[in-house]
Amino acid sequence: DAKTTQPPSMDCAEGRAANLPCNHSTISGNEYVYWYRQIHSQGPQYIIHGLKNNETNEMASLIITEDRKSSTLILPHATLRDTAVYYCIVRVAGYNDYKLSFGAGTTVTVRA
Amino acid sequence: GAGVSQSPRYKVAKRGQDVALRCDPISGHVSLFWYQQALGQGPEFLTYFQNEAQLDKSGLPSDRFFAERPEGSVSTLKIQRTQQEDSAVYLCASSSAVGEQYFGPGTRLTVT
Repeated sequence: DAKTTQPPSMDCAEGRAANLPCNHSTISGNEYVYWYRQIHSQGPQYIIHGLKNNETNEMASLIITEDRKSSTLILPHATLRDTAVYYCIVRVAGYNDYKLSFGAGTTVTVRA
Repeated sequence: GAGVSQSPRYKVAKRGQDVALRCDPISGHVSLFWYQQALGQGPEFLTYFQNEAQLDKSGLPSDRFFAERPEGSVSTLKIQRTQQEDSAVYLCASSSAVGEQYFGPGTRLTVT
């Protein structure tokens, strides 16, 4: 049973911000939202994660709604190299919960 | 620093042959994971090691699949009597005790 729902695909223009939505309406209080991406022919790459506060790092920003039922990953200035499948995953960040359940993800195509 | 490496990157096996896939995790990472990724789908969990102990093998699809990590470092995923449905990319990931998972490039297995 899928814990997250993402659109199957989206396009964005190079140099513009890319906003990737994710719904996780059944998220538990101790579950974090994680984002990974997978560029063609490579293994998945960790991007960012958060619990309830917004987070930012050198790759992206993560905005989580106050009720935590949805979130948005923001790539502030998309480049062609950001073309990838993006996975939104909810999991407990702790020693005993280790599996990543990927789902189908969103295929993001950045166009020049 | 060195990331997770996997070998071989590509493997073609005739149906019925045995194969062995190798994973070299990031040095010092306690946890090691194997995932299977069918074409067009997200990765699916196979098995998990904490040091040399295999704590979860619930994702292994059949008793033809066997994984080991005898010294708590390098791991090998073995598939006996390969079938066409075993064709997939096999991904290895490692992490510190509670950290993010870092993935290798994967081994693409094609069974003919």
